Amino acid sequence: QKEVEQNSGPLSVPEGAIASLNCTYSDRGSQSFFWYRQYSGKSPELIMSIYSNGDKEDGRFTAQLNKASQYVSLLIRDSQPSDSATYLCAVESGQGGSEKLVFGKGTKLTVNP
Amino acid sequence: ETGVTQTPRHLVMGMTNKKSLKCEQHLGHNAMYWYKQSAKKPLELMFVYNFKEQTENNSVPSRFSPECPNSSHLFLHLHTLQPEDSALYLCASSQRTGVTQYFGPGTRLTVL
Repeated sequence: QKEVEQNSGPLSVPEGAIASLNCTYSDRGSQSFFWYRQYSGKSPELIMSIYSNGDKEDGRFTAQLNKASQYVSLLIRDSQPSDSATYLCAVESGQGGSEKLVFGKGTKLTVNP
Repeated sequence: ETGVTQTPRHLVMGMTNKKSLKCEQHLGHNAMYWYKQSAKKPLELMFVYNFKEQTENNSVPSRFSPECPNSSHLFLHLHTLQPEDSALYLCASSQRTGVTQYFGPGTRLTVL
């Protein structure tokens, strides 16, 4: 069973700070990586996808991928209270028509005003 | 987001009732999924359908019965549930398995 590991938190940061969320995965063949945000009682929503090593920036969000280390992270700059949510890392795993997304357990982020 | 819709949004049922959850996707996707999320617990994948064929069943009890009549619709039929089945049930779809999944708003199920 391929695994995706995240620190469950909670991670608490002050407003305006950088929040750093980390994820490791076990399938060396994985090519696609996703970050979802889930507010309490709501469904997950996609915020970032990354496929190549390096950084990918979208507004205040930066996803970082290092396939050699099997590590993907999400940085949130200038954190706002509205960023308080659980962040799910998802990794594509499998091949030959049996690909699927494997989700981590999520990291709960709290941004304090 | 109206790409994936779920009905009902809230459902309260007794242990002897039979009910069904409905999911519809308007994204032209070929894969659909059912997930369970209990309070303060991670997502649990229940079923995967790819081109209307069930490709994964993660040891889900038989009191949950999925149905996928076409690539746009997915049902979850419920019967003789237990109180521990109370959870948020999420439907998702994707163009194919292994790529970006888009989630519906979920059905909040309470079993009395």
